[in-house]
Amino acid sequence: ETGVTQTPRHLVMGMTNKKSLKCEQHLGHNAMYWYKQSAKKPLELMFVYSLEERVENNSVPSRFSPECPNSSHLFLHLHTLQPEDSALYLCASSQTTGVYNEQFFGPGTRLTVL
Amino acid sequence: KNQVEQSPQSLIILEGKNCTLQCNYTVSPFSNLRWYKQDTGRGPVSLTIMTFSENTKSNGRYTATLDADTKQSSLHITASQLSDSASYICVVNTGGFKTIFGAGTRLFVKA
Repeated sequence: ETGVTQTPRHLVMGMTNKKSLKCEQHLGHNAMYWYKQSAKKPLELMFVYSLEERVENNSVPSRFSPECPNSSHLFLHLHTLQPEDSALYLCASSQTTGVYNEQFFGPGTRLTVL
Repeated sequence: KNQVEQSPQSLIILEGKNCTLQCNYTVSPFSNLRWYKQDTGRGPVSLTIMTFSENTKSNGRYTATLDADTKQSSLHITASQLSDSASYICVVNTGGFKTIFGAGTRLFVKA
């Protein structure tokens, strides 16, 4: 496996379910990100981790809970979601959080909340 | 308010034709501007990056321009191919990992 992988690729869940999204990067990067992409809207940055420490929590509701157990893995735990949370969730990584560092994105998880 | 606006929202062109996508930004401070290509069902991939002092950058058939005075950028695609069908996203970096994304232009290239 190379690059940034995400599982599952598609997820349908009810509002009372608990699920987790997984992201893994094979690039040796030190920073990882979660983004939300809704239809026809700009990507919204949710969380940023640098060297496994959270450095940004962009006013995200507590029903989204990130976890970064090591620099290669990032999880997004989902609990009691709302239908408006349905979106494409993208994970990205970069060498560092430096200004010129390119972010490499995974293919995303398409989430539908019923 | 920091904003990145892209136009048009969507565009249909015939294979082999050229096209230009626009990006206007009101972002401060400005560090750099990237153009990304996002294929359907995939994550965005960086095409070009430009800093304040650069006014043009090419990547194959893709040429990006930047006018830092007017805060405008464009992405020109030459001799379009069917594989160019995708969303093109303009992203402005304001420092560190802080980035402002545009909503993208959806390009359809028809045979």
